[in-house]
Amino acid sequence: SQTIHQWPATLVQPVGSPLSLECTVEGTSNPNLYWYRQAAGRGLQLLFYSVGIGQISSEVPQNLSASRPQDRQFILSSKKLLLSDSGFYLCAWSLDRGSGANVLTFGAGSRLTVL
Amino acid sequence: AQSVSQHNHHVILSEAASLELGCNYSYGGTVNLFWYVQYPGQHLQLLLKYFSGDPLVKGIKGFEAEFIKSKFSFNLRKPSVQWSDTAEYFCAVIKMGGANNLFFGTGTRLTVIP
Repeated sequence: SQTIHQWPATLVQPVGSPLSLECTVEGTSNPNLYWYRQAAGRGLQLLFYSVGIGQISSEVPQNLSASRPQDRQFILSSKKLLLSDSGFYLCAWSLDRGSGANVLTFGAGSRLTVL
Repeated sequence: AQSVSQHNHHVILSEAASLELGCNYSYGGTVNLFWYVQYPGQHLQLLLKYFSGDPLVKGIKGFEAEFIKSKFSFNLRKPSVQWSDTAEYFCAVIKMGGANNLFFGTGTRLTVIP
């Protein structure tokens, strides 16, 4: 069966410091991968998605970037964090084709607090 | 702008009461529709989905949702809620033929009082 791992679960970082959140998926090949941010009262906002190694689509211009160095690894990064980057970040995966491509499975999330 | 609206931000019900959570979207054309649920301390997980066919779809734990295309709605229902249904519920929509962007509503927090 497929599993998704996301870490760290909680992170407290000073303004201006770098960020790296990692996400890996097991038990499937060539998944679609996603990074969402969940803000209180604002639902989930898609930040990045990837359909393959090195293929990243950005939905919202901001202080963050994403990379996919391996088939089942998705990394969310920032060179210099802003206060507004605080939030709950969710990684998700889906199948790469068919109706399953629209069904997302989410990780446990990473709560980032920027001070 | 494309959007998904959940008008109920917080719903409080007693056990055995009936539940209906509203969801409206603003896209034209063919869509796939979803309800996700996040129980306290747990992952966001799929509750039910509509792709095509019968507009009344059944999900886990006795939930169902009805797609009404003319109203651009996909309301979630359960005839009798339980304390264990306390959670946050998110409606989501993806427009077919577009980018892989699943748009979520702002969520509805359901509190069931035993």
